[in-house]
Amino acid sequence: GENVEQHPSTLSVQEGDSAVIKCTYSDSASNYFPWYKQELGKGPQLIIDIRSNVGEKKDQRIAVTLNKTAKHFSLHITETQPEDSAVYFCAASYSSASKIIFGSGTRLSIRP
Amino acid sequence: EAQVTQNPRYLITVTGKKLTVTCSQNMNHEYMSWYRQDPGLGLRQIYYSMNVEVTDKGDVPEGYKVSRKEKRNFPLILESPSPNQTSLYFCASSAPGAGETEAFFGQGTRLTVV
Repeated sequence: GENVEQHPSTLSVQEGDSAVIKCTYSDSASNYFPWYKQELGKGPQLIIDIRSNVGEKKDQRIAVTLNKTAKHFSLHITETQPEDSAVYFCAASYSSASKIIFGSGTRLSIRP
Repeated sequence: EAQVTQNPRYLITVTGKKLTVTCSQNMNHEYMSWYRQDPGLGLRQIYYSMNVEVTDKGDVPEGYKVSRKEKRNFPLILESPSPNQTSLYFCASSAPGAGETEAFFGQGTRLTVV
């Protein structure tokens, strides 16, 4: 079955700097790769997703890249702000799947 | 407002005492699922339901039961809770094509079994 590995488990960056979180997946059939943000005391919330027919997607300060050959995908946050502090989860799935497989999460802290 | 509502938010119980965590969604979603979140392990699926009266096991179903009698509700039942079920639980729902659509999560239920 699908397995998603996520690194690093914790990340601390200076406010204004960039943060990068990386994930790898095992099932070549996966074609949907969402990223969820979990703030303290709340459930995960989708922030961006990418499908296998594109290599990059951007939404303001957030971008996701996908390398299907290497089975890698990454989340890039530029100009980090205090409100970016949260736990981030990558995930992988495919259209007819009954579930999405999550990575183990990255706790991102933004230093003032 | 589109939302998934779980109750209770916090629960402390004793080993062996049956409990139910409720989950309700107002988006008319067919697909609902339960996850548990443990440090270093991410979110692991317990059970899921593709529609009313259709449920199936996820990755960690042992010790749990679910039912789906109505589209909006998907309760999680622990018949005889044990300390290893102490965890943070999330209910989620999504539209058809669950594998490629946004999952909406509840606020979570923090369960402690002593």
